Amino acid sequence: DGGITQSPKYLFRKEGQNVTLSCEQNLNHDAMYWYRQDPGQGLRLIYYSQIVNDFQKGDIAEGYSVSREKKESFPLTVTSAQKNPTAFYLCASSIAGYRGTGELFFGEGSRLTVL
Amino acid sequence: AQSVSQHNHHVILSEAASLELGCNYSYGGTVNLFWYVQYPGQHLQLLLKYFSGDPLVKGIKGFEAEFIKSKFSFNLRKPSVQWSDTAEYFCAVNARTGTASKLTFGTGTRLQVTL
Repeated sequence: DGGITQSPKYLFRKEGQNVTLSCEQNLNHDAMYWYRQDPGQGLRLIYYSQIVNDFQKGDIAEGYSVSREKKESFPLTVTSAQKNPTAFYLCASSIAGYRGTGELFFGEGSRLTVL
Repeated sequence: AQSVSQHNHHVILSEAASLELGCNYSYGGTVNLFWYVQYPGQHLQLLLKYFSGDPLVKGIKGFEAEFIKSKFSFNLRKPSVQWSDTAEYFCAVNARTGTASKLTFGTGTRLQVTL
């Protein structure tokens, strides 16, 4: 079945450590996104990529980094510079550009807890 | 900048009650509108969407939404809720400018249906 796979589902990290969250899709979508979900704040866009080897900052990119070396993959690194990293992270994909309608397909999410 | 407002943060209803969740957005151009649902422990999934045409759209599980352009609203309705509708509901608006688009989410409404 086509879809988006995020791993790990749960992750614990000590303060000062970088962690990388994986996101893989087999939907052949051009665009991929990372969102952060916090209670009462909805989904906030961290980074997005419309095409391989290109990505843009979203609304809350500070303390995060991404890469897009393959169409299928869009890993997110939460760096030690992120001041409040404990959150639920969602990866999504969509058909990009003028052909796109904005409809997103989501993975199951990764819950990061900083100890 | 565009914004999406969901005024109901937490709604508690008894089974068989009618539901209406408000969604308003601020953007004067062409929009695509979505409602996503997140059931407990599950990933975000599309409930319904509006692109063009009939402003009353029907989605899965008996949900519907009406796009009222003059009010910049896209309220979600269901005539009779079930316990299984307990979930968090997110309104999202995709604003199109030329070949680019930007999807913005509301802060979500947590619906609790009691037996």
